[in-house]
Amino acid sequence: AQSVTQLGSHVSVSEGALVLLRCNYSSSVPPYLFWYVQYPNQGLQLLLKYTTGATLVKGINGFEAEFKKSETSFHLTKPSAHMSDAAEYFCAVSVTGGFKTIFGAGTRLFVKA
Amino acid sequence: DAGVIQSPRHEVTEMGQEVTLRCKLISGHNSLFWYRQTMMRGLELLIYFNNNVPIDDSGMPEDRFSAKMPNASFSTLKIQPSEPRDSAVYFCASSLGTAGDYEQYFGPGTRLTVT
Repeated sequence: AQSVTQLGSHVSVSEGALVLLRCNYSSSVPPYLFWYVQYPNQGLQLLLKYTTGATLVKGINGFEAEFKKSETSFHLTKPSAHMSDAAEYFCAVSVTGGFKTIFGAGTRLFVKA
Repeated sequence: DAGVIQSPRHEVTEMGQEVTLRCKLISGHNSLFWYRQTMMRGLELLIYFNNNVPIDDSGMPEDRFSAKMPNASFSTLKIQPSEPRDSAVYFCASSLGTAGDYEQYFGPGTRLTVT
């Protein structure tokens, strides 16, 4: 079975500062990894995903994540936070033939002016 | 494409009433997922379908909840009778399949309030 752990239910950064949202996964087979973002009063939307190949994945809005198999991690980063990045971020994992995607509990990002 | 469409966007009802939430999948998608989101429990997967067939309904909280896919593009989630603890935002999501690397496309959600 797969699982996802997001470290920190809330993260607060200043505008212009580095954003780092942590995600660790557990999977007995090669995983597919996702980051989704949820803005207030909206559904989740895909930020980026890792399937195979290059371990550094770039997504929308300047976000990127690096798949580190040895650390079973898929942390999300952005060099410079913008006020519009304030949202909830979900890390998720799935596997081939696994049918469903397992979502983490989410991390709410606050951006201070 | 208009994306996943959910209706109604907001529903306020009294305890004991029947509630039906509706979802239209993105054209060409064959997998459908229903989720419930609350502050206390986060995002919970209720049930999912592949090619109109329910695959796993283990997340459905009680027999009061039922879901159907009468055709390839439409699904309903019914709660009968509704209770105040059912108050939540309900999302449906669709994808091209259940292979692991397919992303899910979420609808805007239905905010249900049961008084």
